[in-house]
Amino acid sequence: EAQVTQNPRYLITVTGKKLTVTCSQNMNHEYMSWYRQDPGLGLRQIYYSMNVEVTDKGDVPEGYKVSRKEKRNFPLILESPSPNQTSLYFCASSIPTGLKSGELFFGEGSRLTVL
Amino acid sequence: GQSLEQPSEVTAVEGAIVQINCTYQTSGFYGLSWYQQHDGGAPTFLSYNALDGLEETGRFSSFLSRSDSYGYLLLQELQMKDSASYFCAVPLTGTASKLTFGTGTRLQVTL
Repeated sequence: EAQVTQNPRYLITVTGKKLTVTCSQNMNHEYMSWYRQDPGLGLRQIYYSMNVEVTDKGDVPEGYKVSRKEKRNFPLILESPSPNQTSLYFCASSIPTGLKSGELFFGEGSRLTVL
Repeated sequence: GQSLEQPSEVTAVEGAIVQINCTYQTSGFYGLSWYQQHDGGAPTFLSYNALDGLEETGRFSSFLSRSDSYGYLLLQELQMKDSASYFCAVPLTGTASKLTFGTGTRLQVTL
């Protein structure tokens, strides 16, 4: 089954404790991206990757890091989480032609709470 | 920059037709996408319009007017399971490296 898998799905952590949210896709997609979703603000892009070893900032990259060492994986790293990073996070993937037709495949989401 | 405006909430009766509007402002334009998201779930791609006119996919249709920077999603024969949030989105022109989403319209289908 074609899918984007995120882990963990739910996490409660404390300020300053480093954490990683993993994302893996099995569709051989070149493009991957991270979004966060907050009430009233919609989905905002954090980082994206057009291919292996190619990453770039989105609209809200502060406090986050990413890496793309393999095509299928695109982990999101919070080096020192803060309460304002409490959010619902989505990983998404696509092929280049899919990008221009606005079609992304999303993971099920990771709900993160930072106390 | 890019911005999209949608109504925040819409309520409709089961079996009825509902239209969710989206107006956008972009410096360039590839097309307009629509996504559905149930509470606690992932956004799911519904449709994409690159050209003016109506695209139909089963009970859902999407319309685009490039000259008016306007589009809408039309849901017919509403079912309770259609209760969800609906987002319009536009790809960033050039690299298409980002989808910019509207803030979403919450649709409540009632009996």
